Amino acid sequence: QKEVEQNSGPLSVPEGAIASLNCTYSDRGSQSFFWYRQYSGKSPELIMFIYSNGDKEDGRFTAQLNKASQYVSLLIRDSQPSDSATYLCAVNDYKLSFGAGTTVTVRA
Amino acid sequence: DTGVSQNPRHKITKRGQNVTFRCDPISEHNRLYWYRQTLGQGPEFLTYFQNEAQLEKSRLLSDRFSAERPKGSFSTLEIQRTEQGDSAMYLCASSSGLAGGVTDTQYFGPGTRLTVL
Repeated sequence: QKEVEQNSGPLSVPEGAIASLNCTYSDRGSQSFFWYRQYSGKSPELIMFIYSNGDKEDGRFTAQLNKASQYVSLLIRDSQPSDSATYLCAVNDYKLSFGAGTTVTVRA
Repeated sequence: DTGVSQNPRHKITKRGQNVTFRCDPISEHNRLYWYRQTLGQGPEFLTYFQNEAQLEKSRLLSDRFSAERPKGSFSTLEIQRTEQGDSAMYLCASSSGLAGGVTDTQYFGPGTRLTVL
């Protein structure tokens, strides 16, 4: 499987701040990238995907892709306590190759 | 759209027993995937189906594991002679398979948590 690395957590941010999550991937030919959120004991739920270089915004979430640097990031603006979860980055090659995840805690 | 469903949600078994899990994908989704997730790790790909055809099996899927999707709808994953190392969350996902590779989105079921004693 393709290697996907995520910045080690846990990441603790105050409520209302921006949480920044990073992900690098090994296969330069990878084309699309997915971010999932996973609450403790639950299954992954889709946040968004990106396949073009640049930024893609969806509500409080912004995904950023830089294929030259093989780097994907997710920004969570105005973080809320309900955003406390593990965030999984995945490379899509018909099957998903996941990183280990970054756990985010939003402090009220 | 009722989402992906999995049964049972929890399974506790003794080492050496056989277990079978079921996954019902989102209606009309052509692709169905099985993943396994252990604590502190991301899900790992096990196998996937395009309709009833099993197109790829991970090397993680030893010969004790078998998966079927006989009519291209629901799927079963069987583990024979379970071992303690099989304890994990088994996740099923489905996708339409129609959007093309880059945007084909997988939606996950709630998972089956297996504990092997």
